[in-house]
Amino acid sequence: DVKVTQSSRYLVKRTGEKVFLECVQDMDHENMFWYRQDPGLGLRLIYFSYDVKMKEKGDIPEGYSVSREKKERFSLILESASTNQTSMYLCASSFSGAGGYTFGSGTRLTVV
Amino acid sequence: AQTVTQSQPEMSVQEAETVTLSCTYDTSENNYYLFWYKQPPSRQMILVIRQEAYKQQNATENRFSVNFQKAAKSFSLKISDSQLGDTAMYFCARGGGSNYKLTFGKGTLLTVNP
Repeated sequence: DVKVTQSSRYLVKRTGEKVFLECVQDMDHENMFWYRQDPGLGLRLIYFSYDVKMKEKGDIPEGYSVSREKKERFSLILESASTNQTSMYLCASSFSGAGGYTFGSGTRLTVV
Repeated sequence: AQTVTQSQPEMSVQEAETVTLSCTYDTSENNYYLFWYKQPPSRQMILVIRQEAYKQQNATENRFSVNFQKAAKSFSLKISDSQLGDTAMYFCARGGGSNYKLTFGKGTLLTVNP
């Protein structure tokens, strides 16, 4: 079965910490995505990548950066975590737009 | 911005009954794809059904079917014989064409009552 694995299910960090959220896919997909999910706001795209070392900003990139050194791994970085970044973070990958996404299980991040 | 709108934040249905979730979207593309995703309380988002815009026939997957009205830009999901395991958040999404990103609606929380 196709899999997208997010390294942590729950994470608690302190304000100002640097936070890394890791995502690995085993499907040889070109495209990878990071979304955050908040009640009443749905899924909002933070960053995406369509190739190794390539990245593009989504709708809400402020306060975040990403890294894609290998095809299978896409990392989301919170340079200095803030309480308004408390959220559910979802990673997804796809081969093309036609097939839709495969999602990871999500990481519930709490910044205190 | 091209948007996806789900007008029903919450819905409920009795077990074994039929329920329809609404979705409308905006697009300027001729070739695109539409999706319904399900997110149960355990959080893993899974694909329920997909529709290719150039196909007139409505997609069906077991108890799940869609009513795709291209001119009206409407893409509703019908769940027949609802089961307790259908309780979840449902997201409508649009993508494809030259753009491999998906745009999601805000979701509909469906509760199936025994």
